[in-house]
Amino acid sequence: DAGITQSPRHKVTETGTPVTLRCHQTENHRYMYWYRQDPGHGLRLIHYSYGVKDTDKGEVSDGYSVSRSKTEDFLLTLESATSSQTSVYFCAINGQGERGFTGELFFGEGSRLTVL
Amino acid sequence: AQSVAQPEDQVNVAEGNPLTVKCTYSVSGNPYLFWYVQYPNRGLQFLLKYITGDNLVKGSYGFEAEFNKSQTSFHLKKPSALVSDSALYFCAVRDNWAAGNKLTFGGGTRVLVKP
Repeated sequence: DAGITQSPRHKVTETGTPVTLRCHQTENHRYMYWYRQDPGHGLRLIHYSYGVKDTDKGEVSDGYSVSRSKTEDFLLTLESATSSQTSVYFCAINGQGERGFTGELFFGEGSRLTVL
Repeated sequence: AQSVAQPEDQVNVAEGNPLTVKCTYSVSGNPYLFWYVQYPNRGLQFLLKYITGDNLVKGSYGFEAEFNKSQTSFHLKKPSALVSDSALYFCAVRDNWAAGNKLTFGGGTRVLVKP
């Protein structure tokens, strides 16, 4: 296991409410990512972080914000959830070896969010 | 820009027969290519990757993939499929010039192996 924990694993909320998803890693890796998975679209990158307080947007960042106040935690926030944000959200970290990045990503178990 | 396509939504194969899942890609520079598998209600598991070197890459669970630069393809193969190989498979690509090691994923191919 890659030492990635996502919480909550399941959440049902109503349109307009704020939601925060948490990703916790025990690997001390610098890079962390948030993807969403939707049928027919595969996984799409929302935001990623390359260090504490260093974040950047992915291809589907509208309506999402992120924060990383310490290496081990990467938070994804939906300020005002909409039904289009119903999805499964995955956190990922980079594989690292003795010579640095190994290229692949390792994923958490996912957080299923339903916005009614 | 980097992109990847998986032209088949589903592949059906009989147990014991060869399995092939297709993937084509587009990048500006040199590609880094990956295959992942996802079982129901689980995260994605890394199967194999091509960074450089031999065009035939071997990975976990008996899977292999062949990098073909002229056809911009990276098809996943297994000589003899098992029922337990039934899952959702994703191909992913990264342009070696891309910052942040951001992977772009295909839409996924569902594999159904029948006994």
